[in-house]
Amino acid sequence: SAVISQKPSRDICQRGTSLTIQCQVDSQVTMMFWYRQQPGQSLTLIATANQGSEATYESGFVIDKFPISRPNLTFSTLTVSNMSPEDSSIYLCSVEDIGTQAFFGQGTRLTVV
Amino acid sequence: KQEVTQIPAALSVPEGENLVLNCSFTDSAIYNLQWFRQDPGKGLTSLLLIQSSQREQTSGRLNASLDKSSGRSTLYIAASQPGDSATYLCAVKDTGFQKLVFGTGTRLLVSP
Repeated sequence: SAVISQKPSRDICQRGTSLTIQCQVDSQVTMMFWYRQQPGQSLTLIATANQGSEATYESGFVIDKFPISRPNLTFSTLTVSNMSPEDSSIYLCSVEDIGTQAFFGQGTRLTVV
Repeated sequence: KQEVTQIPAALSVPEGENLVLNCSFTDSAIYNLQWFRQDPGKGLTSLLLIQSSQREQTSGRLNASLDKSSGRSTLYIAASQPGDSATYLCAVKDTGFQKLVFGTGTRLLVSP
């Protein structure tokens, strides 16, 4: 199983600012994903982080708002830009290899005030 | 578009009871199905993974079954304990897009 370290675990941010969340995996993985979980809701996929190329975003999510980097097979970042209170959520990093189960980080609880 | 539903939304039981959580999905063309546990404000812990060719998987007191043709999966928890209290999520991976689609979750409370 993969061990995922996600930082920060929580943060309180002012509206209009940006926050970058880091996801570090203890082994090389093929696929890395970023999810959002709004209060009381289930998980929604934001994007697939592609190594060495632009991330693949799901409907309703755009690169300008959620820029993603993946410089290698063990690390990715998600930035939440120009934040508003509606961005208050838990953001989760997930990894998996083809045909295997998905593993998740502990999440970043973001509150925007 | 794949949709995943979990019933019940919430469940409260006394310690020691056996219980069943249900998950249904609309498109039977799935690659696999996974059950997760989420503690409040935390990330997800993977419990069981069932490949599309499998009927069930077991881990300790947990047993998950899959009926692809009817679009259903159940998670059976034997002899429930207060430590089992959490939200349980099922997620389906489609054969086409290889993305996980999550259900709405069942919030379980096991009282001593």
